[in-house]
Amino acid sequence: DIKMTQSPSSMYASLGERVTITCKASQDIKSYLSWYQQKPWKSPKTLIYYATSLADGVPSRFSGSGSGQDYSLTISSLESDDTATYYCLQHGESPPTFGAGTKLELK
Amino acid sequence: QVQLQQSGAELMKPGASVKISCKATGYTFSSYWIEWVKQRPGHGLEWIGEILPGSGSTNYNEKFKGKATFTADTSSNTAYMQLSSLTSEDSAVYYCARATGAWFAYWGQGTLVTVSA
Repeated sequence: DIKMTQSPSSMYASLGERVTITCKASQDIKSYLSWYQQKPWKSPKTLIYYATSLADGVPSRFSGSGSGQDYSLTISSLESDDTATYYCLQHGESPPTFGAGTKLELK
Repeated sequence: QVQLQQSGAELMKPGASVKISCKATGYTFSSYWIEWVKQRPGHGLEWIGEILPGSGSTNYNEKFKGKATFTADTSSNTAYMQLSSLTSEDSAVYYCARATGAWFAYWGQGTLVTVSA
């Protein structure tokens, strides 16, 4: 199975700060990488698919980048509503595998 | 709009089986893969497998073969996952999600399964 190494596992950031979360795949996943936001007691919400495409209704402060094995999710200017846990998911090879998550909290 | 409505929380005894449902609305149910995902505190998200309702085709994560069984009823637009021989390791929140291409575009609200004697 492809291992997704996500970092950091947790972080604190200030309102307005630029935040970047990364995922590294154990092999090339050809941009079959999506990002999800999960708030406590809620189901995950899709943010980014195919590494760089913004899902419908997602604010433009969210963006994705990367290729090959290395991918990142960036929040350009952190808002209070962005406190959540973020997961990456690779679907380049079965089985799909998730990163371990990044818990983002306000400083 | 696309919605996935899952069945309610279950409290089960060890060794029993449970069947979770996922009712889809707002799209052509038979045409899209339904994914099943497990979430336990400290264990993150795990892909259990998927079913294509129109054909009944299934794919399982090797780890969950023999544990999970997927079915789908196109007359009621409902997908099901049965978990058998339950143990405490099966206590988790289970999500269904609709795939679009290579991502999980829409998610159900989750079903909490608790296994306890």
